[in-house]
Amino acid sequence: EAGVAQSPRYKIIEKRQSVAFWCNPISGHATLYWYQQILGQGPKLLIQFQNNGVVDDSQLPKDRFSAERLKGVDSTLKIQPAKLEDSAVYLCASSLASGPYEQYFGPGTRLTVT
Amino acid sequence: AQSVSQHNHHVILSEAASLELGCNYSYGGTVNLFWYVQYPGQHLQLLLKYFSGDPLVKGIKGFEAEFIKSKFSFNLRKPSVQWSDTAEYFCAVPRDDKIIFGKGTRLHILP
Repeated sequence: EAGVAQSPRYKIIEKRQSVAFWCNPISGHATLYWYQQILGQGPKLLIQFQNNGVVDDSQLPKDRFSAERLKGVDSTLKIQPAKLEDSAVYLCASSLASGPYEQYFGPGTRLTVT
Repeated sequence: AQSVSQHNHHVILSEAASLELGCNYSYGGTVNLFWYVQYPGQHLQLLLKYFSGDPLVKGIKGFEAEFIKSKFSFNLRKPSVQWSDTAEYFCAVPRDDKIIFGKGTRLHILP
């Protein structure tokens, strides 16, 4: 079974630039999550999709972050414009459904904003 | 609302030592709990989970955790660690339709 794919693995940008991350979940997984993991902290949920609808985006800084899930499969997360404090690893995860199900994580994208 | 706290942020042990990483949860109805692990350069992956039933849960790679309701704890244990157990360990709890992670414990095993 193929895992969750993410790209790019690493990205360095200057503040005020924009950046986009891509995620391809495990086939058949209805629920997709984007997390932000700042060094020394646990993953923090940014947004959760059920198929192509947003279930929870309460922690997403909507003035600069946006996300979409095309046709209920792939997803992109965009930051525009980036700030220094956005430096983190951005993790994508998927699960069969919402709720207390095992989430399968991708390798993450390490973003450095200079 | 359910949340978890991990009090050990960084643990250093020698090989063959016994391990216990603390995780405490806040009360909030039905309790489900997870331990996730992230090995250097690898994905976060599920180590073990507790949904109900036997409070002693066995996971992969010789890890186990015990759900103690009276202490609100779900500590992770391994009787004899190996150098390959060097990783970051996260306790997590479902809340609403998502999973809330603790801050993590970075475990470093000395060869």
